[in-house]
Amino acid sequence: GIQVEQSPPDLILQEGANSTLRCNFSDSVNNLQWFHQNPWGQLINLFYIPSGTKQNGRLSATTVATERYSLLYISSSQTTDSGVYFCAVDAGGTSYGKLTFGQGTILTVHP
Amino acid sequence: AAGVIQSPRHLIKEKRETATLKCYPIPRHDTVYWYQQGPGQDPQFLISFYEKMQSDKGSIPDRFSAQQFSDYHSELNMSSLELGDSALYFCASSSIHGLAGGPRADTEYFGPGTRLTVL
Repeated sequence: GIQVEQSPPDLILQEGANSTLRCNFSDSVNNLQWFHQNPWGQLINLFYIPSGTKQNGRLSATTVATERYSLLYISSSQTTDSGVYFCAVDAGGTSYGKLTFGQGTILTVHP
Repeated sequence: AAGVIQSPRHLIKEKRETATLKCYPIPRHDTVYWYQQGPGQDPQFLISFYEKMQSDKGSIPDRFSAQQFSDYHSELNMSSLELGDSALYFCASSSIHGLAGGPRADTEYFGPGTRLTVL
């Protein structure tokens, strides 16, 4: 099956810093989503981004499908950004919609 | 906007007991997915339903079964519970649209999860 690798595994920032999270995937995908899992366990959908660039406030994401990677940018980080960030891909074929997750990046933002 | 609803939010069971988790998808979404997330792990796909028919199956134990009903809600039934079944169980929903290159799922929205603890 498709492999999804995220880096870095852990990231510690001071409030106000910027960061870039990376997601590499091993095969072509129909869909790629970024999620934030907050300390209460909720998975918050950040972006649906199979290709191109999107922005939402302090967050933006870019997926280069031909090179099989996606980047999530967090600017001016806040303590509420802490949590786990997951990249998940839908490899398509007969399994449309089934998401395969990366191992996640644990982000800690200190005040 | 309406979100995916899961119940119960927390469940505590003894070994060998049974559990039923319920999921109510976003209105007009035709596909439901179940995922299991163990402690410190990423979510793992269990099973999905499209228009009330099972559409895909992942690493779901034989002790687990699921179905989607005529009102599109879904239930995950778990029997002979084991300690290792303790996890966060997510339900997600999306809609599938057809494209020239084949069907594609729109954004998948996750419910708040059911935290199952097996003692």
